Amino acid sequence: QKEVEQNSGPLSVPEGAIASLNCTYSDRGSQSFFWYRQYSGKSPELIMFIYSNGDKEDGRFTAQLNKASQYVSLLIRDSQPSDSATYLCAVNNNDMRFGAGTRLTVKP
Amino acid sequence: DAGVIQSPRHEVTEMGQEVTLRCKPISGHDYLFWYRQTMMRGLELLIYFNNNVPIDDSGMPEDRFSAKMPNASFSTLKIQPSEPRDSAVYFCASSQGADEKLFFGSGTQLSVL
Repeated sequence: QKEVEQNSGPLSVPEGAIASLNCTYSDRGSQSFFWYRQYSGKSPELIMFIYSNGDKEDGRFTAQLNKASQYVSLLIRDSQPSDSATYLCAVNNNDMRFGAGTRLTVKP
Repeated sequence: DAGVIQSPRHEVTEMGQEVTLRCKPISGHDYLFWYRQTMMRGLELLIYFNNNVPIDDSGMPEDRFSAKMPNASFSTLKIQPSEPRDSAVYFCASSQGADEKLFFGSGTQLSVL
């Protein structure tokens, strides 16, 4: 079983729609959870982090964490073509492990 | 701060040659990570250091790979001898604490022919 799993994608949404990205993890001791965005040919950059159960909002982005279900999600509201990228879920328990990523395309 | 600095940006070498990748973390960051990214395997953690000490190298593929951190501002990842299957993008990242966000370098695109 992979340590961090993401919905395989690719995911395509129209401009202005909500994009929903999901992630599950296997290590119940994990303490912190991150979403990174990676444009093609670039390095990952942090979008959101969440430590506690519930929702955390930052502009158009909302991260959701459910530790009992070992589930993390990222919602992108009012999706823009510039949001088109690969989104990486990362889980930290003394080291940072990444999922395989979900490629998102936002069509104008 | 200039961020995490990696060199070289691109490296093309022939099978059997030694390859050395370099990384300068952000000043004040206590943790340094080496990752490898491929289409097939995604972003894999190779090794990480805390205060210059290697903590977990279980992700290092085999003995051909080695990493050092002689001081707080410099780390190297060495592959000797290199093989075509080592071709990938190698990222270095640093963070202030164990549960803190990572800052990535620009990566080194390695091609082993």
